[in-house]
Amino acid sequence: DAGITQSPRHKVTETGTPVTLRCHQTENHRYMYWYRQDPGHGLRLIHYSYGVKDTDKGEVSDGYSVSRSKTEDFLLTLESATSSQTSVYFCAISAFRDLLGSPLHFGNGTRLTVT
Amino acid sequence: KNQVEQSPQSLIILEGKNCTLQCNYTVSPFSNLRWYKQDTGRGPVSLTIMTFSENTKSNGRYTATLDADTKQSSLHITASQLSDSASYICVVSAQGYAGGTSYGKLTFGQGTILTVHP
Repeated sequence: DAGITQSPRHKVTETGTPVTLRCHQTENHRYMYWYRQDPGHGLRLIHYSYGVKDTDKGEVSDGYSVSRSKTEDFLLTLESATSSQTSVYFCAISAFRDLLGSPLHFGNGTRLTVT
Repeated sequence: KNQVEQSPQSLIILEGKNCTLQCNYTVSPFSNLRWYKQDTGRGPVSLTIMTFSENTKSNGRYTATLDADTKQSSLHITASQLSDSASYICVVSAQGYAGGTSYGKLTFGQGTILTVHP
């Protein structure tokens, strides 16, 4: 398995509180991604990073921010959590952005519940 | 809008039986198609990749097919095992360009939940 660790694995928080999810990789891959997975939807891209301090928005970025200060760490922050952000969040990494020869390697997810 | 539709949404089979999962896509320009397996409580893991020129590819008991003309792919599982119980996700990559380099823009299907009973 690719060396990807997500923390925490489970979190329950109240509406309006800030939440930070962490993704740590030991593969030295350039690209890192945050996805959310909800019933009835495929995985949806929130934000991605193509290098230290280089990030860009995905298709569902509203209400989320990210930071990448080191190659190995990619943080996802919910500035003020809402119930619609209850989801399972997956971090993924890849060696190349052209994914023909480079699959996404996923962490095991963080289940976030906003009450 | 790029879309990936998978069928059936769920499937129950007996151990030892075969099954076929379907993936239809409207993604342009097509680059490649991957099948991922996602066990409960885990992240997806890549099973196989299909490029435009490939029709069939096998990975053990898993065989993927691709018909680029009809924009359909299938994943056939032979002699199913209890460990095959999982969600199977079809992911199609569209060719994109930015800053002079190409990249894959991904569209995920919702997945097919396969349950194998003893």
